[in-house]
Amino acid sequence: QVQLQESGPGLVKPSETLSLTCTVSGGSVNSGTYFWSWIRQPPGKGLEYIGYISYTGSTNDNPSLKSRVTISVDTSKNQYSLKLSSVTAADTAVYYCARVTWGVPGAGMPKDWGQGILVTVSS
Amino acid sequence: EIVLTQSPATLSLSPGERATLSCRASQSVSSYLAWYQQKPGQAPRLLIYDASNRATGIPARFSGSGSGTDFTLTISSLEPEDFAVYYCQHRSNWPWTFGQGTKVDIK
Repeated sequence: QVQLQESGPGLVKPSETLSLTCTVSGGSVNSGTYFWSWIRQPPGKGLEYIGYISYTGSTNDNPSLKSRVTISVDTSKNQYSLKLSSVTAADTAVYYCARVTWGVPGAGMPKDWGQGILVTVSS
Repeated sequence: EIVLTQSPATLSLSPGERATLSCRASQSVSSYLAWYQQKPGQAPRLLIYDASNRATGIPARFSGSGSGTDFTLTISSLEPEDFAVYYCQHRSNWPWTFGQGTKVDIK
């Protein structure tokens, strides 16, 4: 049973870079069947895909975030990370990491999620 | 970007009643649609994938149907634990997007 756990600062100042890490246990970030994604949810609002990284290291990020996103993977620590630059109050949200299958039924529809971490952007 | 529109925004029902939730896509997503349940303070839980397949461990009272642009999630008989917010999500092309959610609350 895979488990995912987000970690990072809960408070980031405007214009700075938000940095989060997702630690994966019970599974390998090197697995060819999975993509490793980030999804966020502003307080009281809906869900938004931020992006994902594949086991090959290829990434895809949401164009709405205007190239502010960097997603990377650290296979030695079995972790992957999110950096979101030039944050504003609009980036205040619960950030989830989630494992996404690919190439099988249910591809792109995450079953395994972290518990989420609230990140507030404020001075 | 494909826009998913869910209706109604809120559904007020009693335990034991049938719930019918709708998700409409701005263009065809084939059968690449999922449904999630979210309770306060929790991560979403995958209920249905590929429009009509129940995820592992999901009770049979949950069913999904549809293809193309119109999809439905049906809860045949509401249990107390089913009162929550439900989201649809497509993965037809990037960016994958979610609907804005339907809240099922107790009447």
